[in-house]
Amino acid sequence: GQSLEQPSEVTAVEGAIVQINCTYQTSGFYGLSWYQQHDGGAPTFLSYNALDGLEETGRFSSFLSRSDSYGYLLLQELQMKDSASYFCAVGQAGTALIFGKGTTLSVSS
Amino acid sequence: TAGITQAPTSQILAAGRSMTLRCTQDMRHNAMYWYRQDLGLGLRLIHYSNTAGTTGKGEVPDGYSVSRANTDDFPLTLASAVPSQTSVYFCASSDSSRSSYNEQFFGPGTRLTVL
Repeated sequence: GQSLEQPSEVTAVEGAIVQINCTYQTSGFYGLSWYQQHDGGAPTFLSYNALDGLEETGRFSSFLSRSDSYGYLLLQELQMKDSASYFCAVGQAGTALIFGKGTTLSVSS
Repeated sequence: TAGITQAPTSQILAAGRSMTLRCTQDMRHNAMYWYRQDLGLGLRLIHYSNTAGTTGKGEVPDGYSVSRANTDDFPLTLASAVPSQTSVYFCASSDSSRSSYNEQFFGPGTRLTVL
């Protein structure tokens, strides 16, 4: 079967660093993506890793280890506006993505 | 640029009735997708289309049908709605090249309640 596992909830304070992990078990793999979704809104793309290593985009970084079927999203200098749900997604053959169930991040002051 | 539009924004539908959720994109993306989002279950793929004229089944296709007559439009039809189809439905699109398809652009969603 295909599955992606990520924590359901994470809490942190403003200015802190938080890491959201994602492990996957899929029949095909064409990269690991991360999406952000604010309450009541649409998911928006954050990052994509096709190869092992770290990708950095501003305060957000994403890491992939294909040998471990594992990746993470690292959020630095947390702000209140970062409170949202974060989804990892694995690319499949064709163009489909399989999404994890999401991690709700709550940032407090 | 509008990106992706969906209609209606929300709808209450009687069980057994049919309904078509509309989705239009203006980015000339080859690939389009329909997801449903339920609390605690994340986003689940219903159907997808890699290019106009072709469609494919996702994780939860039963009870839904799609068509892709042109690049811009990708309607989702519920032939005979059931209460378990109560959900938020998101349409998305992406460039279908190998590296680009992982970046999907989502519409604002349609909140459907089936009673």
